Amino acid sequence: KAGVTQTPRYLIKTRGQQVTLSCSPISGHRSVSWYQQTPGQGLQFLFEYFSETQRNKGNFPGRFSGRQFSNSRSEMNVSTLELGDSALYLCASSLVSGGGSPLHFGNGTRLTVT
Amino acid sequence: SQQGEEDPQALSIQEGENATMNCSYKTSINNLQWYRQNSGRGLVHLILIRSNEREKHSGRLRVTLDTSKKSSSLLITASRAADTASYFCATDAQKTSYDKVIFGPGTSLSVIP
Repeated sequence: KAGVTQTPRYLIKTRGQQVTLSCSPISGHRSVSWYQQTPGQGLQFLFEYFSETQRNKGNFPGRFSGRQFSNSRSEMNVSTLELGDSALYLCASSLVSGGGSPLHFGNGTRLTVT
Repeated sequence: SQQGEEDPQALSIQEGENATMNCSYKTSINNLQWYRQNSGRGLVHLILIRSNEREKHSGRLRVTLDTSKKSSSLLITASRAADTASYFCATDAQKTSYDKVIFGPGTSLSVIP
C-alpha cells in the first residue's frame, strides 16, 4: 500500500507570493490533517478535512486555507507569504477523524520564504 | 495551545540502556498516541492507547496511561543507535465531537553506540 505522498518536497518562495502544497493520502483514508512544524513552535495543527468537509481548524490566520477533493486528496494554500511561514508542512491521513486511529504522515514539504 | 508536554526535553543514553519519556496533558482525552520522527522526516506512529486502557506493548516499546494524573510514559527497552530520534505524544480532547490531534513539543533521544 502506498504511503502518504506530499509534493513538492522543497519550495523556495519570496515574501508576498502564494503557494499551494499537495497531499495524497493512503488509499481508503478519508481524513487528512495538516501541521506546520518549526523549531520554535513545534508541531502546530492547521486543519483537518474529512470527506471534503473541514472538521477542525487551528489558530492560524486566514491566509492559510485548504480543501479536500472527492478522491480524498488535499491541498493547502498560503497566500501573501511571510518570512515566518518558513517551515516543514506535514500532511497526515487516517481512517477516521480525530484521534481514534493512527495518523500516517508524509515526509513533508519544506517551505523557505525569502 | 499544546495539550501534551513531554519530559525530558532531551535524553542521552548508552546503547542497551532503557529510555523513559513522559507526557502530561491538561484536559480529558479519548486517546493518546506516541510518534517518532527522524530528522527532517515525517512522523511515524508507534502506539495508540485509549483512555480506558492502562498499558500497551509493541516490541521493545511499553506505554502506560494514568488518566487520574493525566500522564503517560513511553519506555524503550534495550535501546539501539537507530532509536535516536524525536518522540512526540499526541492527544485528542474528550469533549468535542470532532477532535483534533495535538502534539507536544517532543523529547529528543540520543542513543550513543
